[in-house]
Formats: sequence, structure tokens, C-alpha cells
Amino acid sequence: DAGVIQSPRHEVTEMGQEVTLRCKPISGHDYLFWYRQTMMRGLELLIYFNNNVPIDDSGMPEDRFSAKMPNASFSTLKIQPSEPRDSAVYFCASRPGTGRSWNNYGYTFGSGTRLTVV
Amino acid sequence: KQEVTQIPAALSVPEGENLVLNCSFTDSAIYNLQWFRQDPGKGLTSLLLIQSSQREQTSGRLNASLDKSSGRSTLYIAASQPGDSATYLCAVSRLTGNQFYFGTGTSLTVIP
Repeated sequence: DAGVIQSPRHEVTEMGQEVTLRCKPISGHDYLFWYRQTMMRGLELLIYFNNNVPIDDSGMPEDRFSAKMPNASFSTLKIQPSEPRDSAVYFCASRPGTGRSWNNYGYTFGSGTRLTVV
Repeated sequence: KQEVTQIPAALSVPEGENLVLNCSFTDSAIYNLQWFRQDPGKGLTSLLLIQSSQREQTSGRLNASLDKSSGRSTLYIAASQPGDSATYLCAVSRLTGNQFYFGTGTSLTVIP
């Protein structure tokens, strides 16, 4: 398996523009998580999905942020409009459901998308 | 809310030394604890996962222990090497629910 795949690796955009980050989880993983990492706040959970359904989006900072998972192999995180304070590294992670390999393997993270909003 | 603390924030050791990284958490009702490694500009690589019923896990030169009652975990690295230089993060999952709560990490530098 190629692991969790995120794109793009780097994104530089101007304030006010729409940004879309993409994630392909590991095949067969039931859970998908979006995290944001900054120097000040570390890793923060934004939202997670179970079987393509959003379960907890309490970490989504504002209405400017939205996430979708139209099928088991694809998710997007969208920021519209983007602001300089959104600059961070955004990680996607996935894991199997309870009863499968969850107890042995936990989370698998993607390589992240480094977002810079100027 | 689960609070996860890692001490020290940064550590520098000469090559060959054994070292211990610490992780503490406020809520002992955890499901499991996972240690990750993060290289600069990279994602997180899983090192060890300890279930709440376990006390330790070992992988090569790494040994992670878990003491739920005291809310602590340690990551022991034996015979450190320059390639071990990275940031090490611990993450704790709640007994119910699916998210991990991350510590802020320990930045390790192993000096050749």
C-alpha cells in the first residue's frame, strides 16, 4: 500500500483565495482524520470521518473551513476565503476500524500539505 | 479534555548515550498511547503503540512503557545515533471516541 497520500505537498496562495487540500486514505481504513500543525498550537484535530460520515467537526476553526468525504478513497479540506493565519501544515491520517488492525497499528499519517497564505 | 505534556521540549545528547523521553497525560481513562517520530518537513511515522492493558512495547532500540495510574509514558532509546535526531510526539486516545490528543513533542538532537 502507498500509505496515506496528500496533495499538494506545498500550496502558496493569496489571502481571500479558495484552497482545497486532498487526501487519499489507506484502502480499507474506516476512519479519516484531518489535523493542522503549527508551532504555536502543535497538532490540532480539525475533523474526522467514519465510513465517509463526518463524526466530530468541533475542531474546525471557522465556517471558512469545510471538509467532505464523497467516498471511501477520497477526502477534501477546503478553506474559503483563506487568511494568513491559516498558514500551517495540514495532515490527513487514517486508521482501521475497531476490531481490525486498530489495536496493532493505530494511525497512519500522510506527508502533509504545507499551506502558506500571503 | 485530555491534556498531554512532553518534557523536555528539547534534548541534545552525544552519540551512543541511552536516553528517556517523557509523556504525561491528565485523564487515565485512555484506550491506547502511540509514539511518533517527525523529521523536519515530514509527516509522522508511527514508532510504537501501547494498548491500555499493556505496560510496555519494544521495537529494536526503542522501548515504550505505560503507567496509566500515574498518567505517564516513557520512550527509552538505547545507544542513540545521529539518525535518531527528530521530534518525538506522544499521542493518547480516549477510552471512548476516536481522536488522539497529541503532546507538543520533544526535539532530539544526537551529536556525532
